[in-house]
Amino acid sequence: LAKTTQPISMDSYEGQEVNITCSHNNIATNDYITWYQQFPSQGPRFIIQGYKTKVTNEVASLFIPADRKSSTLSLPRVSLSDTAVYYCLVDLWGQNFVFGPGTRLSVLP
Amino acid sequence: GAGVSQSPSNKVTEKGKDVELRCDPISGHTALYWYRQSLGQGLEFLIYFQGNSAPDKSGLPSDRFSAERTGGSVSTLTIQRTQQEDSAVYLCASSYGAISSNQPQHFGDGTRLSIL
Repeated sequence: LAKTTQPISMDSYEGQEVNITCSHNNIATNDYITWYQQFPSQGPRFIIQGYKTKVTNEVASLFIPADRKSSTLSLPRVSLSDTAVYYCLVDLWGQNFVFGPGTRLSVLP
Repeated sequence: GAGVSQSPSNKVTEKGKDVELRCDPISGHTALYWYRQSLGQGLEFLIYFQGNSAPDKSGLPSDRFSAERTGGSVSTLTIQRTQQEDSAVYLCASSYGAISSNQPQHFGDGTRLSIL
C-alpha cells in the first residue's frame, strides 16, 4: 500500500509561487497521483491528477519525476484564498485510499 | 450541476444511540466512498461501493459500523450504539466509472457527528 509523506505546514506570501512535495517511495506501476484542497468545514476538492512528467491546468501544475517516487504540486502566485490543507493521494486501483495528514498552507498578506 | 449531498449536516446524539448518515452521490457516478475525519486530522478511509457492492469492509472501525447502497445511488452509513470516539466529520465522495479508472473523487461537505 503506497504511503505518502508531505510537510505538515508551509507559509507563503501573496503573489509567490508555492511548491508542495509529496513522497511516495513505494508507488506501484498503475498508481496515479491526485491532489486535493480542503477548506475548513468543507469536503476536499480535486485540484489535479497525473501519472508521469508534467500536468498543468488552470489552477496548478503537477511535476512527477521519472522514478515517480515523489511529486510536486505547484501553485502559481498564491492569494489569501489559497490558504487550505493540501492532500496528496496515491490511488491503488481502488483497494484503499489513504489520505495522509496533508500540508497546511498559510498564505500571508 | 448538483454535487454530492450529505444529510444531516450536523448530528448531536447521546452515547449509545444509533445514527444513520445519508449520502446522495452525483447522478451517474457508480463509485461511492465513505471517510471519517477527526478534528485537525487527515481522512480515514472507511469503505467504498462499486454500484451496490462493497467488496472490502475491513476499513470499518468496528462491527458497530455498517453501510449499504441501494439502486446504485443513495448510500447510508449506520453507527450502532455510538461511542464518544465516534465523534468526527463523516465525508462521502463519488466518482464516475469503475474504481480502477482513477477518476477523481467529488466530496460532499460531510456530516459533523457529535456524541455526548
